[in-house]
Amino acid sequence: TQLLEQSPQFLSIQEGENLTVYCNSSSVFSSLQWYRQEPGEGPVLLVTVVTGGEVKKLKRLTFQFGDARKDSSLHITAAQPGDTGLYLCAGAWAPGRRALTFGSGTRLQVQP
Amino acid sequence: DTAVSQTPKYLVTQMGNDKSIKCEQNLGHDTMYWYKQDSKKFLKIMFSYNNKELIINETVPNRFSPKSPDKAHLNLHINSLELGDSAVYFCASSRRGNEQFFGPGTRLTVL
Repeated sequence: TQLLEQSPQFLSIQEGENLTVYCNSSSVFSSLQWYRQEPGEGPVLLVTVVTGGEVKKLKRLTFQFGDARKDSSLHITAAQPGDTGLYLCAGAWAPGRRALTFGSGTRLQVQP
Repeated sequence: DTAVSQTPKYLVTQMGNDKSIKCEQNLGHDTMYWYKQDSKKFLKIMFSYNNKELIINETVPNRFSPKSPDKAHLNLHINSLELGDSAVYFCASSRRGNEQFFGPGTRLTVL
């Protein structure tokens, strides 16, 4: 079974602080995605990373895929209350396998 | 302009009942999925259909039966509901690649 562990599980910070969320596995993934889920809604895709070592930026969010494609990180700069939500990493562990293996999730709360 | 829609949004029922959840996508995607999210927010794949054919069935009890009448619809029927079936069920769709679009979820409560 391919497992994705996320850390931390919970994070409560003040507006303006920086944070990093980690997603780790012992398995190699062909691609990895980050989603954000708000209460009462489904997850919404933020980014997909495919190449080992790849870095992608989405405004104040920076995503990195590990060189060995087993781990990923999400860094948020100057967090805002609107960043509050559940962040999920999800890996596709084989090309062509369409279902995703989701991480355990990181619940982020940004206090104004 | 809803991309992936599910009905109902909430479902409260007694143990032993049979219930269905419906899902529709208007994105023209060829693959649809059912995921279950438990109380700890862990999201796990249940089924996947590609062009109306079942391609993934992840050790789900056979009380759960998905049905895809066409590429735009994937319904989930659950027989003999149990307390442990209480969760939020998400439908999702994708086109070939892995970028998936999720519906708003159906919160099922079994009493």
